[in-house]
Amino acid sequence: EIVMTQSPATLSVSPGERATLSCRASQSVSSNVAWYQQKPGQAPRLLIYGASTRATGIPARFSGSGSGTEFTLTISSLESEDFAVYYCQQYKNWPPQMFGQGTKVEIK
Amino acid sequence: EVQLVQSGAEVKKPGESLKISCKGSGYRFGSQWIGWVRQMPGKGLEWMGIIFPGDSDTRYNPSFEGQVTISADESSNTAYLQWSSLKASDSGMYYCASPVLTLAFDIWGQGTVVIVSS
Repeated sequence: EIVMTQSPATLSVSPGERATLSCRASQSVSSNVAWYQQKPGQAPRLLIYGASTRATGIPARFSGSGSGTEFTLTISSLESEDFAVYYCQQYKNWPPQMFGQGTKVEIK
Repeated sequence: EVQLVQSGAEVKKPGESLKISCKGSGYRFGSQWIGWVRQMPGKGLEWMGIIFPGDSDTRYNPSFEGQVTISADESSNTAYLQWSSLKASDSGMYYCASPVLTLAFDIWGQGTVVIVSS
């Protein structure tokens, strides 16, 4: 089973600032990583797949990078609607397609 | 429109059985995997298992194998998650999701709340 570890658990950022979220896989998953955003009371929404490809309708301020075991989600300039919990997920070796434990992006 | 629509909230007693559903529309249901994800109150996402409706190939997270059963009916475009004997620890939100356009879960259901309490 591949374990996905996200850091930090909570990130305090001011609107307009950059946010950098990290995700580490316990073994190589190539580029088979997705990032999801979840707001309170809502289902998760796919942001990034293939480690760096934005899903349909996702703003350009969201970008993903990395391969192998180290991945990053960057939000270039935080807007009010971006304060949420973010999860990474690997889908290379499954079952299971493990999620990370999440990073909460909160208003500083 | 591609969408997954889940059945409504459930309140059950420990020991009871339950089957919740997820109906797909707007795409070839039998040709895409559909998975189930648990989210306990205030916690993260847990990948439970996945099924390919076209041939009923089913894969489970070892943590959930034997605890739940995933099934699908291609004729009605519906996937199911069922429990034979609920426990209080099964309480939570359950999402279905499918990699319709990508290899990741790009389509999600709205979630089904399950409350198990005596």
